[in-house]
Amino acid sequence: GQQLNQSPQSMFIQEGEDVSMNCTSSSIFNTWLWYKQDPGEGPVLLIALYKAGELTSNGRLTAQFGITRKDSFLNISASIPSDVGIYFCAGNNYGQNFVFGPGTRLSVLP
Amino acid sequence: GAVVSQHPSRVICKSGTSVKIECRSLDFQATTMFWYRQFPKQSLMLMATSNEGSKATYEQGVEKDKFLINHASLTLSTLTVTSAHPEDSSFYICSPMHGNYGYTFGSGTRLTVV
Repeated sequence: GQQLNQSPQSMFIQEGEDVSMNCTSSSIFNTWLWYKQDPGEGPVLLIALYKAGELTSNGRLTAQFGITRKDSFLNISASIPSDVGIYFCAGNNYGQNFVFGPGTRLSVLP
Repeated sequence: GAVVSQHPSRVICKSGTSVKIECRSLDFQATTMFWYRQFPKQSLMLMATSNEGSKATYEQGVEKDKFLINHASLTLSTLTVTSAHPEDSSFYICSPMHGNYGYTFGSGTRLTVV
């Protein structure tokens, strides 16, 4: 079946630093999504990508849909304490359920 | 738009009892509903997919008689965990689709079976 890998699994950074994480798939997807999940909460959509090569920003967040359609990355600039959480990538093909990556756990040190 | 209400947010039940989780799409109609389960420190795993008015399709390893899904209307779907056991303790999340590309998630239900 389809599998997603995310790297790094976890990261500790200083407040103000930039963050980069990526997601790779064993098969192609038509849609990539990036979510953030806080403890005890459901995932919250950060960025949605619908086209290979697409680069989309949402405030300090930037994500790109890889040309091969098998990968995506998420960058966070000038991290702040509230960026702490687990970041999931998810991919799907039209009308189908999402396959989620295992997540990247981000910790921000003051 | 695309507001989803899921409740309860937390529930503790005794082994052997049943728990019903509701997921409502408040400002849109969802013909398709996905139910996910998330164990601690793990990712979301799809349990089942339901289409309004039809029987749900369950993923391999998910017991359909244990996890009853009802999707009788375009704005409400329920997941009932029957005869719950401690190993069913998990975070359950609904995800109604709106339109062809709209994906939203409920806030989740933390089930603890004691």
